[in-house]
Amino acid sequence: EAGVTQFPSHSVIEKGQTVTLRCDPISGHDNLYWYRRVMGKEIKFLLHFVKESKQDESGMPNNRFLAERTGGTYSTLKVQPAELEDSGVYFCASSQGMDPNTEAFFGQGTRLTVV
Amino acid sequence: AQTVTQSQPEMSVQEAETVTLSCTYDTSESDYYLFWYKQPPSRQMILVIRQEAYKQQNATENRFSVNFQKAAKSFSLKISDSQLGDAAMYFCAYRSKGAQKLVFGQGTRLTINP
Repeated sequence: EAGVTQFPSHSVIEKGQTVTLRCDPISGHDNLYWYRRVMGKEIKFLLHFVKESKQDESGMPNNRFLAERTGGTYSTLKVQPAELEDSGVYFCASSQGMDPNTEAFFGQGTRLTVV
Repeated sequence: AQTVTQSQPEMSVQEAETVTLSCTYDTSESDYYLFWYKQPPSRQMILVIRQEAYKQQNATENRFSVNFQKAAKSFSLKISDSQLGDAAMYFCAYRSKGAQKLVFGQGTRLTINP
């Protein structure tokens, strides 16, 4: 079974440009999460989808970030316009059900570099 | 808000020896979950071990075990008989009971010396 897949693995863009990150969760997983790790710091929660609905978006840094999950399958995270401080590794994770014991499975991350 | 602190940015150990990675956390909750995740270079982050706060017994998974000290809010990871494949970033994480999101520490990069 395929794991959580993220595209692209690495993106380098100029300040002011737009970038869209994609996450394909494990099939059948209703929960999808986005996290971000800025260089050398902790991984921070961005938001949580349950199917196509945003359950918790308390970690989204500002309105330059837009996450969608149309149809409750894959998700996109768009940054527009990108700023230097947006550089970091963006992780996606998915899990099945609401049981707190359910394991979250992570993708390999997308490394975003804004220059 | 809960916080997780990993005070060791980097650690190294000789192959076959034992290493302990430190993690402390801050919370006012009494029931929660703690995790250690491993991310090998350019690969997916995977769950190594988990601990439920209401369980006093320390979790163990093969060569990986934890020392959970609830009163001290400490959750260290011990890796016995270190292998080259253990080289990775290790993240400690906290999850409130009933919540879905994880709160992570800064990570510890573990190097295994042959």
